[in-house]
Amino acid sequence: AQSVTQPDIHITVSEGASLELRCNYSYGATPYLFWYVQSPGQGLQLLLKYFSGDTLVQGIKGFEAEFKRSQSSFNLRKPSVHWSDAAEYFCAVGAPTNAGKSTFGDGTTLTVKP
Amino acid sequence: DVKVTQSSRYLVKRTGEKVFLECVQDMDHENMFWYRQDPGLGLRLIYFSYDVKMKEKGDIPEGYSVSREKKERFSLILESASTNQTSMYLCASALGGQPQHFGDGTRLSIL
Repeated sequence: AQSVTQPDIHITVSEGASLELRCNYSYGATPYLFWYVQSPGQGLQLLLKYFSGDTLVQGIKGFEAEFKRSQSSFNLRKPSVHWSDAAEYFCAVGAPTNAGKSTFGDGTTLTVKP
Repeated sequence: DVKVTQSSRYLVKRTGEKVFLECVQDMDHENMFWYRQDPGLGLRLIYFSYDVKMKEKGDIPEGYSVSREKKERFSLILESASTNQTSMYLCASALGGQPQHFGDGTRLSIL
């Protein structure tokens, strides 16, 4: 069975500081990996995805993530955080089969200090 | 761009009522999903559907049923609403193993 762990429930960073959100997954084969962002009262929006190939993937809003198979990790990074990045972030693992089902982590809430 | 539309943003119902939550997607995706989201519990899959009239239970199907009569529409039904079903409900659709596209959610309160 696949699973996702986001160890940090809540992270606070200052505006302009760098950000790293952690994600560890459990999956038998090469997974499909995703990061989504959810602003208050909204649905989830895809930030980036990894299917195969280059292990460093670029996403929208200046985010990137690195797939590390040896560590079963897919951490999300941003070099300089903006106040508008305050939101909840979800890591998810999926598969090419299984009807597109994904397993989501419990989320990390990001607070940005001015 | 893919659009997933949930019929209501906010809904208030009474205990024991039969409640219908509707979701429509406009991109011909074969896969559709219903989740509930509660603070500290992340997203929990209630049901998903991989084709018209085809459905499978997710992690928390008890108290819910679904209907998919047309490819673009996936309905979640609370057979007899209870207060513990007060939650945010999210619908999503996807093409194969591609990322899921989410609606804006329905915040349901059961009084």
